[in-house]
Amino acid sequence: DAKTTQPPSMDCAEGRAANLPCNHSTISGNEYVYWYRQIHSQGPQYIIHGLKNNETNEMASLIITEDRKSSTLILPHATLRDTAVYYCIVRVLSGSSNTGKLIFGQGTTLQVKP
Amino acid sequence: AAGVIQSPRHLIKEKRETATLKCYPIPRHDTVYWYQQGPGQDPQFLISFYEKMQSDKGSIPDRFSAQQFSDYHSELNMSSLELGDSALYFCASSPEPHEGWGSPLHFGNGTRLTVT
Repeated sequence: DAKTTQPPSMDCAEGRAANLPCNHSTISGNEYVYWYRQIHSQGPQYIIHGLKNNETNEMASLIITEDRKSSTLILPHATLRDTAVYYCIVRVLSGSSNTGKLIFGQGTTLQVKP
Repeated sequence: AAGVIQSPRHLIKEKRETATLKCYPIPRHDTVYWYQQGPGQDPQFLISFYEKMQSDKGSIPDRFSAQQFSDYHSELNMSSLELGDSALYFCASSPEPHEGWGSPLHFGNGTRLTVT
């Protein structure tokens, strides 16, 4: 089962920041938080990940609370092409080689509007 | 940059037939994962391989099998196909575990299987 909870849908105005919340209250100390998005049945696209510190890359910023029980993905200037399903995933250490699979939950459908 | 390559992109089969899906990981990635995504559903983990050995197993039907070859590509074999097997099948790859499962999985664009 997924270890995260996300709102099912959100709207955002084009050009504004999109803030997508995620709760992961049962996260373990060595488990990473990953964010992916899926646009129109394409393969899930990696966005960003973090362990305990805030992270930023060319796509987004990830803010993780100090207790690590929740996080927020920030798209600083949303465009229409950012309309997608966004998945917040706690990567589970698993398998005989600790390959760490991703378990997808329901995700947040972000609709960016003109 | 090179991405994960999946073939074929589309496949149409009849019930009770067999299908083989192929996945070519990113160069120097030796871990491969398979996912199934039914219509309107979220991706479901099927199986993973590291260094040609099965690493983890999810909700993969007994009718399905998979393997990873010496060049690290992987194949998902599906037999006795059922209508419910119609789905998108994604493959993902990542670097070997000790480089950190702080390394992301990178997904291909999938194979759309339609069973009629």
